[in-house]
Amino acid sequence: AQSVTQPDIHITVSEGASLELRCNYSYGATPYLFWYVQSPGQGLQLLLKYFSGDTLVQGIKGFEAEFKRSQSSFNLRKPSVHWSDAAEYFCAVGTSEYGNKLVFGAGTILRVKS
Amino acid sequence: GAGVSQSPSNKVTEKGKDVELRCDPISGHTALYWYRQSLGQGLEFLIYFQGNSAPDKSGLPSDRFSAERTGGSVSTLTIQRTQQEDSAVYLCASSLAGGGTLFYEQYFGPGTRLTVT
Repeated sequence: AQSVTQPDIHITVSEGASLELRCNYSYGATPYLFWYVQSPGQGLQLLLKYFSGDTLVQGIKGFEAEFKRSQSSFNLRKPSVHWSDAAEYFCAVGTSEYGNKLVFGAGTILRVKS
Repeated sequence: GAGVSQSPSNKVTEKGKDVELRCDPISGHTALYWYRQSLGQGLEFLIYFQGNSAPDKSGLPSDRFSAERTGGSVSTLTIQRTQQEDSAVYLCASSLAGGGTLFYEQYFGPGTRLTVT
């Protein structure tokens, strides 16, 4: 079965500092990988996705993520965080084998200090 | 275009009552999913509809939960005899298609916050 681990429950960074949110997955084959963001009281917004090809993917709002097969990781990065980035971030994995449904990590809450 | 919509946005109900939550997927999307987001369990899959195929109900936590999708579009999630542990945000998502050998991106609605008192 698939599983996703986000080891950091909370992260605090200063505005303008760089950010890396960690995500590790467990699945035998290459999965489809996603990062979603959720602001308080809002639904999930897709930041970026990895399906195949270039292992460094660019997303919206200046985010990027790198797929590393050897480490079963898909970490999210941003070079300079803005106060508006404060939210909860979810890593998710999906496979067509399991009917297109997503398995989510527990989420990482990002706090931005001014 | 219009995204996934859900209603109501908030629902407060008494323990033991039945509730219905509605989801309108993006027009033209054939696959529809329900997820639940709760403090103790995080985000978990509940049920998945793809076209006219039998739904994948493998994530439903008990037989008090059911869902239907009428006309391949709108879906209703019904919880019977609600319990306090059913309190959560129920999220609906849709995708262009689902199943087969390809994976399709899911678009989420804003959710329905259910509180069982």
